[in-house]
Amino acid sequence: GQQLNQSPQSMFIQEGEDVSMNCTSSSIFNTWLWYKQEPGEGPVLLIALYKAGELTSNGRLTAQFGITRKDSFLNISASIPSDVGIYFCAGLPRQLTFGSGTQLTVLP
Amino acid sequence: GAVVSQHPSRVICKSGTSVKIECRSLDFQATTMFWYRQFPKQSLMLMATSNEGSKATYEQGVEKDKFLINHASLTLSTLTVTSAHPEDSSFYICSASREGYGYTFGSGTRLTVV
Repeated sequence: GQQLNQSPQSMFIQEGEDVSMNCTSSSIFNTWLWYKQEPGEGPVLLIALYKAGELTSNGRLTAQFGITRKDSFLNISASIPSDVGIYFCAGLPRQLTFGSGTQLTVLP
Repeated sequence: GAVVSQHPSRVICKSGTSVKIECRSLDFQATTMFWYRQFPKQSLMLMATSNEGSKATYEQGVEKDKFLINHASLTLSTLTVTSAHPEDSSFYICSASREGYGYTFGSGTRLTVV
């Protein structure tokens, strides 16, 4: 079945720093989604990508759909304490498959 | 935006009893609903997919007789964990989908079986 490898598994950064995380797939995806999950809550959609090469921003967040359609990255600029959480990539086509998550900790 | 309500948010039940979790799409009619399970520090694992009015499709390894899914209307799906055991303790999350609305997740249900 489809597998998503997400890295890094965890990150500890200083407030104000930029963050980058990525996902790679063993197969081609036609949609990439990035979610954030806070403790005890369901995932909340941050960015959706639908075309190879697409670069989309949502405030301080920027995500790109890789040209090969097998990868995607998410960047967070100028991190703030409320960015803390677990970030998941997810992809389609057949069903929504989630990556293993990146636990982000922002130190003041 | 699309909103999905999941209830209850937390439930504690005794081993051997059954628990029902509800998932409602509040402002759109969901053609498909999904149920996920998430163990601590792990990702979301799809358990089953349900379309309104038809039987749910379960992922490999998920016992359909243990995890009963009912999708009686376009706005409501329920997951019943039957004869719960401590190993069923987990975070259960539903998601509702419709073309044009993407995938919207509920806030999850923390199930603890004692």
